[in-house]
Amino acid sequence: EAGVAQSPRYKIIEKRQSVAFWCNPISGHATLYWYQQILGQGPKLLIQFQNNGVVDDSQLPKDRFSAERLKGVDSTLKIQPAKLEDSAVYLCASSLDREWTQYFGPGTRLLVL
Amino acid sequence: RKEVEQDPGPFNVPEGATVAFNCTYSNSASQSFFWYRQDCRKEPKLLMSVYSSGNEDGRFTAQLNRASQYISLLIRDSKLSDSATYLCVVRHSSNTGKLIFGQGTTLQVKP
Repeated sequence: EAGVAQSPRYKIIEKRQSVAFWCNPISGHATLYWYQQILGQGPKLLIQFQNNGVVDDSQLPKDRFSAERLKGVDSTLKIQPAKLEDSAVYLCASSLDREWTQYFGPGTRLLVL
Repeated sequence: RKEVEQDPGPFNVPEGATVAFNCTYSNSASQSFFWYRQDCRKEPKLLMSVYSSGNEDGRFTAQLNRASQYISLLIRDSKLSDSATYLCVVRHSSNTGKLIFGQGTTLQVKP
């Protein structure tokens, strides 16, 4: 079974630029999550989708971050404009439903200069 | 105060040693508990769930003390391949299934 796919794997941008990350969850998984993992810390949930609806975005900095999951499958996370403190690994995860095991993708490493 | 707190580490142990990691959580309404493993520059993967009665999976034993809001992971007979960061994870009681991760404890097993 294919795992969670993410792209790109690495991205380097300058502050105030925009960047977008893409995630393709495991087939049939209704719940999709975006996490931010800063070096030396555990992952922090940014946003959670149930099919194509948002369940939790309480920790998403909405002034610069946005995410969508059109058609309830793939998802994109966008940062506009980026700040230095956005340098982190952005992990996408999916699960069959809300309280099932979450499977993580390989992540996108973002460096903001 | 962080919602999930772990030993800062790193833990450097010789092969064959027994090592224990501790974790405390602040939300008494938390309902589910897990240990995830994260290898260097890789994604987190579920190691094991933690049950109130305690549970074992080979060389790994997890314990939960709800009264003290304390979770532990014991690794016996450490292998070089056990070197990784171990993340203590708690699920909220809300219906979202949200996971809260600790900062992780790094284990380095040396020959």
